[in-house]
Amino acid sequence: DAKTTQPPSMDCAEGRAANLPCNHSTISGNEYVYWYRQIHSQGPQYIIHGLKNNETNEMASLIITEDRKSSTLILPHATLRDTAVYYCMKTISWGKLQFGAGTQVVVTP
Amino acid sequence: DTGVSQNPRHKITKRGQNVTFRCDPISEHNRLYWYRQTLGQGPEFLTYFQNEAQLEKSRLLSDRFSAERPKGSFSTLEIQRTEQGDSAMYLCASSPRSLWAGNHEQYFGPGTRLTVT
Repeated sequence: DAKTTQPPSMDCAEGRAANLPCNHSTISGNEYVYWYRQIHSQGPQYIIHGLKNNETNEMASLIITEDRKSSTLILPHATLRDTAVYYCMKTISWGKLQFGAGTQVVVTP
Repeated sequence: DTGVSQNPRHKITKRGQNVTFRCDPISEHNRLYWYRQTLGQGPEFLTYFQNEAQLEKSRLLSDRFSAERPKGSFSTLEIQRTEQGDSAMYLCASSPRSLWAGNHEQYFGPGTRLTVT
């Protein structure tokens, strides 16, 4: 099963919004889109997930296209502590997470 | 701290030795997952428990690997006859029982870093 596609890296200025794209064109109807991040030397941290509606929580917003083939994670006001590898994944409920290479986000002052 | 804990945090062993790692999930989380992460790569799924039942195993989990969750609480991952290729970070995650589909994020521990010399 094909994993998702993400750009390998992106930079973001502190205080600006960071928009992280993800392509999941092979997503099936019962699969959710999940976003996690991993700060250096720590375990991955859950950010947000969604099925077809846009979602928002205290960390980020998730925008899913109507055809569900792609999504964008938005960090509204990036801080230096948001520097991390961000992973976009698709999985069924309670399913295993299939991490790809992710996007290395570097937030600069 | 009521998060997922893993012990030891670091383990250095010689090739051919056996090692065992422990994971204590968040209390009352009935699902427990093991992943392995090598340098520069994303984590790879190894195995998954629901309560004490091991429901799925990756092909990465060779015969030298065994995982248990005897009472549906903590879990152990044992590697027998370690090889240098086993050097990696071993991550454990847990997720809660949910009455509705959608609340199933996984909470990860800090990992156990294994170095096989």
